[in-house]
Amino acid sequence: DAGITQSPRHKVTETGTPVTLRCHQTENHRYMYWYRQDPGHGLRLIHYSYGVKDTDKGEVSDGYSVSRSKTEDFLLTLESATSSQTSVYFCAIRAQGGENTEAFFGQGTRLTVV
Amino acid sequence: KQEVTQIPAALSVPEGENLVLNCSFTDSAIYNLQWFRQDPGKGLTSLLLIQSSQREQTSGRLNASLDKSSGRSTLYIAASQPGDSATYLCAVRLGTSYDKVIFGPGTSLSVIP
Repeated sequence: DAGITQSPRHKVTETGTPVTLRCHQTENHRYMYWYRQDPGHGLRLIHYSYGVKDTDKGEVSDGYSVSRSKTEDFLLTLESATSSQTSVYFCAIRAQGGENTEAFFGQGTRLTVV
Repeated sequence: KQEVTQIPAALSVPEGENLVLNCSFTDSAIYNLQWFRQDPGKGLTSLLLIQSSQREQTSGRLNASLDKSSGRSTLYIAASQPGDSATYLCAVRLGTSYDKVIFGPGTSLSVIP
């Protein structure tokens, strides 16, 4: 699966607790993304990274922060989890390049906030 | 604002039938369009990517077309098989910006043996 590993794959957490999801890639791709997938909304971009320590917000970034200290790792943190953050989270990577660079996705992390 | 829709939301066909999945987008100024497959509980698998300058791409039994002027893409699946059962999503990339990718809601395909 294009060398992308997400951990954990499943997590149940309580409202108000911090949660960190990890995306690890072995492809040395420059760009990394975090999406959430919800029924009726499809996939929506949370944050993305265009290099080590270079990150920016997507369309649904409120309540989330990210960090990328190494090329291979992109962390997504929910500072204080809320029930509205119950979702399936996907990490994606893309190589630097022009029109023909495809995005590759991880297997997803199912997060439940109770 | 770019919006991406996919019709139908769900489709059930008998094995062996040829079928077409539709993807529509409101702004024709796209950089490329990518079709994905998603199996239940799994991530997205890239099927085909069509650049804005291309009209179609083929991979095995799959053929994707792109008509930017009408804001449409179709994914044609020939001789469908039960293993093709999955959700199919299209995604348009806007300009060269790496963050501006808009996904459609997907079409859930069921191929009946």
